[in-house]
Parts: sequence; structure tokens; C-alpha cells
Amino acid sequence: EADIYQTPRYLVIGTGKKITLECSQTMGHDKMYWYQQDPGMELHLIHYSYGVNSTEKGDLSSESTVSRIRTEHFPLTLESARPSHTSQYLCASSDPGLGTEAFFGQGTRLTVV
Amino acid sequence: GESVGLHLPTLSVQEGDNSIINCAYSNSASDYFIWYKQESGKGPQFIIDIRSNMDKRQGQRVTVLLNKTVKHLSLQIAATQPGDSAVYFCAENRGTSGTYKYIFGTGTRLKVLA
Repeated sequence: EADIYQTPRYLVIGTGKKITLECSQTMGHDKMYWYQQDPGMELHLIHYSYGVNSTEKGDLSSESTVSRIRTEHFPLTLESARPSHTSQYLCASSDPGLGTEAFFGQGTRLTVV
Repeated sequence: GESVGLHLPTLSVQEGDNSIINCAYSNSASDYFIWYKQESGKGPQFIIDIRSNMDKRQGQRVTVLLNKTVKHLSLQIAATQPGDSAVYFCAENRGTSGTYKYIFGTGTRLKVLA
């Protein structure tokens, strides 16, 4: 069982609200990732981090921002939510020294109304 | 742009039969290819990986084949069971110098028929 947690699991929020999706891992992994996934579709990499104070944008452009102040914590923030942000957001972490496996959280399903 | 894509969105197989899920990729510089299984309401789970300098790797009931000539990857599941029903994704590591930036394909839904 992977020790990576996302909160909340489900979030319904109004347009224009600021939201932060939480992701925490207790495995001490340096590398962390955020993916966006629409139902039945592929996972799109939107942010990744190689360690504390290191963040980069992924292949899919996103209006969200991330921070990595602590190894175990990689929150994602939307300053002003819009209906187009409705999706599932998956957080993952990995330690290349242990192999290629990325461990995923359960995801946050976001609905912006 | 470059992408990782799957040939079939849905695959239905009889319980006990073997399943073959295919994946095409276009970045010949990828170091690793990984298969993930995603069950409904859960995050993807690692199944098996294969390095770019290999052409076959076996796990428990699963085999991954890599054909670099045609940039094709497949996942074979032996004696498919109801618990194998899920969406399967292939992913490739497109990072440089081992940076492990994983890019995922569209996914294939595997349905196991009783």
C-alpha cells in the first residue's frame, strides 16, 4: 500500500473560488507529480518536482500552481476556479533509486459549478 | 507532437483466456516503458516496466514485449481473471538523465467476461 495521500477526495466548488488540493507522501521520495485526468481519458502531466524548491510545468498547460517547501508535501492551487477545471487530479511520487514505479494517490475529483 | 497512444479503447476477453494490450509510442529516446493498471475510483498501480535495451520482461502472469523497430509495446496477461478488469495505461519515461518524467497514453479498458 502506497503512503501517498490526497485530500479532499471530492470537491464541488463555485466559479471564482480559490482552492488548494493537498498531496502528502511519507516515503521520502524526492520526485513528485501532478496529473490531470478526465473520465476514461489519459493522464496529462501538469506539474512535477525533483525536490524541495524545484517545480516545473508539465506537458499540459495548466492555470494551477504548485509549491514544494517540504519533501513530503506538494500542494496544487487554483487561484480562481472555472468549470473548465472540472477534472480528476492525481498526485504521484517516485524514487528512481528504487526503480521506475510511481506511487499514486487516490485522486481528487474536482467539480466547478 | 510526440505522444504515447493505444490502439484499442476497449478489450473484452473471456475469463481464463490470455489478454494482449497494445501501445504505440513515438519517442525513441525514452529510457523506460511502464504499464499501469487503474481500477475504478483509484489511482494507477504499477504492473511492470521494461528498459529500452530489453525486448521482453516477465512478471507474475504478465509479460511485456518491446519492439523498438516499430515503436510498439504490449502487455500480455495470462489466464485473465475478473480482478484484471480495469483500465491499462502504458507510460514512457521522457526525462533526460534519468529524470523520470512519465508520459501516459490514452488507456485501454479491459473487460473480463465470465
